[in-house]
Amino acid sequence: SQQGEEDPQALSIQEGENATMNCSYKTSINNLQWYRQNSGRGLVHLILIRSNEREKHSGRLRVTLDTSKKSSSLLITASRAADTASYFCATVLPTGGGNKLTFGTGTQLKVEL
Amino acid sequence: DTGVSQDPRHKITKRGQNVTFRCDPISEHNRLYWYRQTLGQGPEFLTYFQNEAQLEKSRLLSDRFSAERPKGSFSTLEIQRTEQGDSAMYLCASSPLGSASTDTQYFGPGTRLTVL
Repeated sequence: SQQGEEDPQALSIQEGENATMNCSYKTSINNLQWYRQNSGRGLVHLILIRSNEREKHSGRLRVTLDTSKKSSSLLITASRAADTASYFCATVLPTGGGNKLTFGTGTQLKVEL
Repeated sequence: DTGVSQDPRHKITKRGQNVTFRCDPISEHNRLYWYRQTLGQGPEFLTYFQNEAQLEKSRLLSDRFSAERPKGSFSTLEIQRTEQGDSAMYLCASSPLGSASTDTQYFGPGTRLTVL
């Protein structure tokens, strides 16, 4: 089963604009991760934020985590056509489970020239 | 440094046939995971290995599915008596053990299965 929902399901923006996507989850977590998937391919890890962190940056990516609301957001600044992909949040439980990932439903981002 | 590889990349089979997929993780990665992804959905966990030991199996993994990692290196996922509902992308991932980086998983390109 999916851990949570992502919002929006699809997003279309112009190159240079910022893209924000949100993720909600259901249970307590150890950490939350964001992955990117280009059409029909494997997933690429983007960024990880731990449950005791509130914000993290990596290049053009900014992730926030609100454990009280069980939600996270991913901001991509100054988007490029190459950012066109599906973006998934994934959670890891606090204990056990071998760090298996529980994914959300994904946001399809399209960046147009 | 090669990444995670999967073979085959695509498999078309008829209902009722058996299929086997292979995953080669990043060398020295102790943990290996299998996920299944259907169209328009996020990946769903199937099973994982730590070295050669299969430590957890999802309820999604029916009796028709079996996974092995005999020497703690590559892994195989076999589906017996395939059904049309098995059509999906099967993703393999690996991660090291014993450091903060264990939380990050490295995914292969996937095997897309189509059951006719």
